[in-house]
Amino acid sequence: GENVEQHPSTLSVQEGDSAVIKCTYSDSASNYFPWYKQELGKRPQLIIDIRSNVGEKKDQRIAVTLNKTAKHFSLHITETQPEDSAVYFCAASPPYGGATNKLIFGTGTLLAVQP
Amino acid sequence: DAGVTQSPTHLIKTRGQQVTLRCSPKSGHDTVSWYQQALGQGPQFIFQYYEEEERQRGNFPDRFSGHQFPNYSSELNVNALLLGDSALYLCASSLARGQRYTEAFFGQGTRLTVV
Repeated sequence: GENVEQHPSTLSVQEGDSAVIKCTYSDSASNYFPWYKQELGKRPQLIIDIRSNVGEKKDQRIAVTLNKTAKHFSLHITETQPEDSAVYFCAASPPYGGATNKLIFGTGTLLAVQP
Repeated sequence: DAGVTQSPTHLIKTRGQQVTLRCSPKSGHDTVSWYQQALGQGPQFIFQYYEEEERQRGNFPDRFSGHQFPNYSSELNVNALLLGDSALYLCASSLARGQRYTEAFFGQGTRLTVV
């Protein structure tokens, strides 16, 4: 079935260090990979996404890489700040028809940035 | 733009009861998806509505049903509530018509507690 594995489940870094979160998906036809940040008691918010025809995408301190052959993608956060502390979810979207695609989420990574 | 709004924010129900949750999509969006997020887990896809029809469904029993109205708003109904239905229910809206890929925007969710 459709599955997304996410590691690590918790990650603690010092302010200014880099953080890397990795995900592996099972459906090789998946073509859209968003990352969401969810602060305690708040809604998941999209921070970056990547399409299957792109290998890497960067937005300021955040970057995502995709390896379609290995079916894994990673989130990289550089120069971490205390406000980066949150739960991060990766997701994969199997194709369905047009843009009405569902999201299969990983189990989340609790990132704690120590000042 | 109010974004995605959900009501109510919190709800307590007794086992065996029925519940209806509501979602208004972000302005301009035509697709609504519902997710169940258990404590400490990633969101799990329940189903998706587009053009007032259920387009995709996740691995949830028939006790979970929904509806989409002509103004694109949506309801999630759960019958015969079980203790295990206690979770945060998230609504996500997106634009499908004319799009190949789409970003999903989440509401803040409805916290359902079944006692």
